[in-house]
Amino acid sequence: NAGVTQTPKFRVLKTGQSMTLLCAQDMNHEYMYWYRQDPGMGLRLIHYSVGEGTTAKGEVPDGYNVSRLKKQNFLLGLESAAPSQTSVYFCASTKLDGELFFGEGSRLTVL
Amino acid sequence: AQTVTQSQPEMSVQEAETVTLSCTYDTSESDYYLFWYKQPPSRQMILVIRQEAYKQQNATENRFSVNFQKAAKSFSLKISDSQLGDAAMYFCACSGAGSYQLTFGKGTKLSVIP
Repeated sequence: NAGVTQTPKFRVLKTGQSMTLLCAQDMNHEYMYWYRQDPGMGLRLIHYSVGEGTTAKGEVPDGYNVSRLKKQNFLLGLESAAPSQTSVYFCASTKLDGELFFGEGSRLTVL
Repeated sequence: AQTVTQSQPEMSVQEAETVTLSCTYDTSESDYYLFWYKQPPSRQMILVIRQEAYKQQNATENRFSVNFQKAAKSFSLKISDSQLGDAAMYFCACSGAGSYQLTFGKGTKLSVIP
C-alpha cells in the first residue's frame, strides 16, 4: 500500500532553472495539497485541488504552478527557481473527513 | 480561515514522565477538526490524534490524549509515560469541515531525556 508518493526526494537547482515535483496517491482521494515547510514556520499551504481538473491557491502560491490532470496525480512546478524556494515540500491527500495523509517530503535546494 | 498558535518552541521531558504540549486556535468555521501531528527526524508526518469539534469527549490514543476546551479554543496534547521514540517535532493543526485545508502551528520540538 504505497499511500502518497513524492518524486524526487532531493533536488538541487540553480537560480532560474525550472522543475516539477510529482505527487501520486493510490487511495482514490479527491483532495490533494502541496505544502512547504521552513524552519520555525510550520507547514504552509501553497496550492490545493478539490478534484481532477481543479486547482486553487493557498497561503503562499507565488512562484509556483500546479496541475491535476489525473485524479491520482498532483504536480507542483517551479518555472524559475529562486533561493527563497529552498524548502522541504510535502504533498498530502485526504478522504472527506479532514485527516491528511502525507508523502515523505521532497527537499529542494536552490543555489 | 484558521490560525493556530503553539507557544512552546521547545520542551523536554524525562523518560516515563508526562508532558503537555499547548495549542490555541481560532477559526470562523462552525464545524472543524483539530489534529496533532508528529514529525520525527525521518521527516514523515504522522497523525497522533484527531478531535472533531462537535464531540465533547476528549480523544485518546493509547498514551496520547487531548484536553479540548472549545470555549477557550484550546487543544493541548498530553503524552503519558514518555518514551525515547516520542522525541520529535509536534504540530497542532486545524481544518474546517468544509474546506479540509489544514492550518498548522509552528511546532514544538520535544526532547526526551533518558
